[in-house]
Amino acid sequence: NAGVTQTPKFRVLKTGQSMTLLCAQDMNHEYMYWYRQDPGMGLRLIHYSVGEGTTAKGEVPDGYNVSRLKKQNFLLGLESAAPSQTSVYFCASSYPDTSLEQYFGPGTRLTVT
Amino acid sequence: KQEVTQIPAALSVPEGENLVLNCSFTDSAIYNLQWFRQDPGKGLTSLLLIQSSQREQTSGRLNASLDKSSGRSTLYIAASQPGDSATYLCAVRPEGGSEKLVFGKGTKLTVNP
Repeated sequence: NAGVTQTPKFRVLKTGQSMTLLCAQDMNHEYMYWYRQDPGMGLRLIHYSVGEGTTAKGEVPDGYNVSRLKKQNFLLGLESAAPSQTSVYFCASSYPDTSLEQYFGPGTRLTVT
Repeated sequence: KQEVTQIPAALSVPEGENLVLNCSFTDSAIYNLQWFRQDPGKGLTSLLLIQSSQREQTSGRLNASLDKSSGRSTLYIAASQPGDSATYLCAVRPEGGSEKLVFGKGTKLTVNP
């Protein structure tokens, strides 16, 4: 049972390049989330999904797109990377019980130059 | 808009000391509150989750309390150890926006041998 995994762990992009971050969970969780963590800002929700084929915007969705084609995977895409998207990205998942306790992946450190 | 504040931002204590970390939130309409631990360069590990109907939760040397009406939670760590050194994050799940967590910026704890 690997829990929540994220690929890649590190990435450096040039402004304008695109990339996709992959999140995978093996806990059969319905809900999945993408956050970004910046110094002095805390964690902020980018997008989330309450089930396969569904996505919704979080607090800071601009510049990102997501897809949830399979229940166990949640993809975060950057179509045209900007330096402001330099951050650490975390994926999380939760089972839709009364607690919605969230379980986090190890993070992806992205630098955009 | 729900805001979560954690004070102090950093705390340094000698090994063996009992300590309390504080979390306050501006809107008492919460579904639950979750405490996380984050080690440097790592993801978040869930420590304790308190439902709004509960007053406290305990796990080993950790005890979390919740006073929903006053918008406060505390995380008590007994007999601190150097291995407890990490950043501790508090997050609330607001009523209504039930899929989302609102995070504080964390308290960085250092336990000195």
